[in-house]
Amino acid sequence: QLHLQESGPGVVKPSETLSLTCSVSGGSIATASHYWGWIRQPPGKGLEWIASSYYSGSTYYNSSIQSRVTISVDTSKNLFSLRLTSVAAADTGIYYCARQTRLRDPQFGPILGHFDSWGQGALVTVSS
Amino acid sequence: ETVLTQSPGTLSLSPGESATLSCWASQSVANNYLAWYQQKPGQTPRLVIFDASIRATGIPDRFSGSGSGTDFTLTISRLEPEDFGVYYCHKYGSTPGTFGQGTKVEIK
Repeated sequence: QLHLQESGPGVVKPSETLSLTCSVSGGSIATASHYWGWIRQPPGKGLEWIASSYYSGSTYYNSSIQSRVTISVDTSKNLFSLRLTSVAAADTGIYYCARQTRLRDPQFGPILGHFDSWGQGALVTVSS
Repeated sequence: ETVLTQSPGTLSLSPGESATLSCWASQSVANNYLAWYQQKPGQTPRLVIFDASIRATGIPDRFSGSGSGTDFTLTISRLEPEDFGVYYCHKYGSTPGTFGQGTKVEIK
């Protein structure tokens, strides 16, 4: 059974860089049928997709924070990571890693699908 | 960017009743690429429905999804105590994928 586990600092100072890692077990990250993504949830609010990546390195970002975000995959360690620079209080929330289906659209080729497996989430607080 | 609007904000129902949750998209969702997730307090979201009407693995048949274009519905018949929580719709396919603001289904 697939298991995803986030890890990272619980507190980050304003203007610094947040780094999170998602370790994947029970399955290979180098799969042709899925992408790997990050979603966040501010306290008491809804969900926001941040970024997704294919194991070979193709990346996709939400344009609202694209300038500050980097997603990467390490197939040798079966994990993927998120880096968010210049954090502010608005970046506080729970960060989830998730497996995302890879759809094959006849017109556009491979596209991002739904999230079929989620990690437990990592609470990140931006505070000095 | 496609904006998803969910209605109502909160549904107060008793076990055994049926729940009807709506999700409206600001533009047509291609190929009905719409999913529903359930999130209980303090827990991670769980996939319930994908491609507008296909139940995810392990989801009981009292959950059903319908709709196309810009109007989608999640119906939960015969509510069980474990069905209460917040439900989010999610549009995928084109980037960025977006989520609705959620509908809370609470025990009356």
